[in-house]
Amino acid sequence: QVQLVESGGGVVQPGRSLRLSCGASGFTFSTYGFHWVRRAPGKGLEWVAVIWYDGNNRYYADSVKGRFTVSRDNSKNTLYLQMNSLRVEDTAVYYCARGSGINYGYFDHWGQGSLVTVSS
Amino acid sequence: EIVLTQSPATLSLSPGERATLSCRASQSIGSYLAWYQQKPGQAPRLLIYDASNRATGTPARFSGSGSGTDFTLTISSLEPEDFAVYYCQQRGDWPPMYTFGQGTKLEIK
Repeated sequence: QVQLVESGGGVVQPGRSLRLSCGASGFTFSTYGFHWVRRAPGKGLEWVAVIWYDGNNRYYADSVKGRFTVSRDNSKNTLYLQMNSLRVEDTAVYYCARGSGINYGYFDHWGQGSLVTVSS
Repeated sequence: EIVLTQSPATLSLSPGERATLSCRASQSIGSYLAWYQQKPGQAPRLLIYDASNRATGTPARFSGSGSGTDFTLTISSLEPEDFAVYYCQQRGDWPPMYTFGQGTKLEIK
């Protein structure tokens, strides 16, 4: 069955960096696009980034553009989110999600989430 | 940028009742709309895609309808496990941009 498992979350000071990972199993990782989606405390879901199946196309929400980088290693079935210049408002549970449909427009499987807390 | 507005923010109903959740887009999005369910401490789950298609494993009591700017998620007869937060979501054309509504909390009355 499809499984996505995030790791790498934790507590970090403002301005510092953190890298999240998302390991995949149960399907052919290299044929799917993937997203990162977050949910801040008391808020709704916010899309963060998407990466195409081959890594050649990547798009970001305006709120993270220039600070976050999504990447993947198809040989390791792993998705990454490098988060630099973190801000207090980046505090959230971060989910990786598999994309489906045109432009990977829907999120058909999700990981359990990884909590990132940005605080001094 | 397309904005999705969900209503109501909170819906209080009893098991067995019918639930109707609304999602309105700020401009036409055709049928490119999905619905997700999220329970406390859990990841979201895809329920409906392309406005009216049930995802694998979605019970038949869940149905989606609408096109253009107005969409509805209907739960025909509420089960105890249906009380959760529901989000609508759309994908933009190009460059890809994916937007969620602010959510509707379905709570037990």
